Amino acid sequence: GENVEQHPSTLSVQEGDSAVIKCTYSDSASNYFPWYKQELGKRPQLIIDIRSNVGEKKDQRIAVTLNKTAKHFSLHITETQPEDSAVYFCAASKSGGSYIPTFGRGTSLIVHP
Amino acid sequence: DGGITQSPKYLFRKEGQNVTLSCEQNLNHDAMYWYRQDPGQGLRLIYYSQIVNDFQKGDIAEGYSVSREKKESFPLTVTSAQKNPTAFYLCASRGGVPVNSPLHFGNGTRLTVT
Repeated sequence: GENVEQHPSTLSVQEGDSAVIKCTYSDSASNYFPWYKQELGKRPQLIIDIRSNVGEKKDQRIAVTLNKTAKHFSLHITETQPEDSAVYFCAASKSGGSYIPTFGRGTSLIVHP
Repeated sequence: DGGITQSPKYLFRKEGQNVTLSCEQNLNHDAMYWYRQDPGQGLRLIYYSQIVNDFQKGDIAEGYSVSREKKESFPLTVTSAQKNPTAFYLCASRGGVPVNSPLHFGNGTRLTVT
């Protein structure tokens, strides 16, 4: 089955810096890659996603890049703010069958004011 | 975002008792999921259902049971056979089947068994 590795497990940055979280996947058939943000004690919420026919997608300060050849995708947050502090999860899934996403273990991002 | 309601938010039980966690959605989604979240473990799939009256085991189904009698409801029972039931449980649903689409999560139930 699919295996998703996520790094780093913890990321500490100063306000205004950029943050990058990386994920690798094992199944070359995976074609959908969402990113979720989970604030402390709350539900995970989708912040951005990318499909395999696209190499990069941006939404204001957030961007995701996908390298299908290397089977890795990354989340980029620019001009970080204290409210960006949360746990971020990447996931991968493929069409056909059950569409069950496989999640990474999460990255705890801490943005220091 | 609303649409998926989990209750209760906190649940306390004695060891050896079965307990049922509620999950209701009004998003008209066909697929529903139960995940368990432990610190440092990410999200682990317990059970999922893609259609009414059908469900499948996930990666950690032992000690859990589910039912899907209605499209809106997907309750999870944590049985006494579950060795370490204390955890944060998240229910999710997904529309857009059969196209890939994101999960919508409920607010979770924190279960403590002593």
